[in-house]
Amino acid sequence: GAVVSQHPSWVICKSGTSVKIECRSLDFQATTMFWYRQFPKQSLMLMATSNEGSKATYEQGVEKDKFLINHASLTLSTLTVTSAHPEDSSFYICSARQRGGGAMNTEAFFGQGTRLTVV
Amino acid sequence: GQQLNQSPQSMFIQEGEDVSMNCTSSSIFNTWLWYKQDPGEGPVLLIALYKAGELTSNGRLTAQFGITRKDSFLNISASIPSDVGIYFCARSSYDKVIFGPGTSLSVIP
Repeated sequence: GAVVSQHPSWVICKSGTSVKIECRSLDFQATTMFWYRQFPKQSLMLMATSNEGSKATYEQGVEKDKFLINHASLTLSTLTVTSAHPEDSSFYICSARQRGGGAMNTEAFFGQGTRLTVV
Repeated sequence: GQQLNQSPQSMFIQEGEDVSMNCTSSSIFNTWLWYKQDPGEGPVLLIALYKAGELTSNGRLTAQFGITRKDSFLNISASIPSDVGIYFCARSSYDKVIFGPGTSLSVIP
């Protein structure tokens, strides 16, 4: 259980174009989904937190107009990188937290990540 | 910035050896999570800790939630080559999950 699927696994796009990354919780309802960015040899940096049906909360320094997050249902969140530039090239990872009470709703499960390369 | 510190930053050990790594925080948290990340993959949850003093095992892995709620350790016994990867501690709160900088583990066959 607690499987999170992220798509695509990798994408190459031209500078100036937009890229959409999908994150799905396959066997549970995710009240909250998180989006992270990871540069080589670094830790995961939280970009934003999204709750189903409400606007995402962005971490300081993350441009909300550039990284559009939509959490339209309890099983799907999307991250759109708009007007991508080479410096946006990174490993983007989503995670989802289960809906429900108890200790389990503090655990977060991760997708396999998306390698974005902007050329 | 990150509120978690992990030590050591990297480790090189012989296969069969035991491993211990540590995570500390400047603040008190209610939930500690330990993850392992393989190259090019998303992190995989290893152990979750919910109570101060809690000791939890998952196969050859053992983790403890410090009494002060500001630290945690992860032990790996009898390491094998597939233990290679980056181990992250993370603190989980109502609104976010924040990761430590990670400990890189290399196992020499």
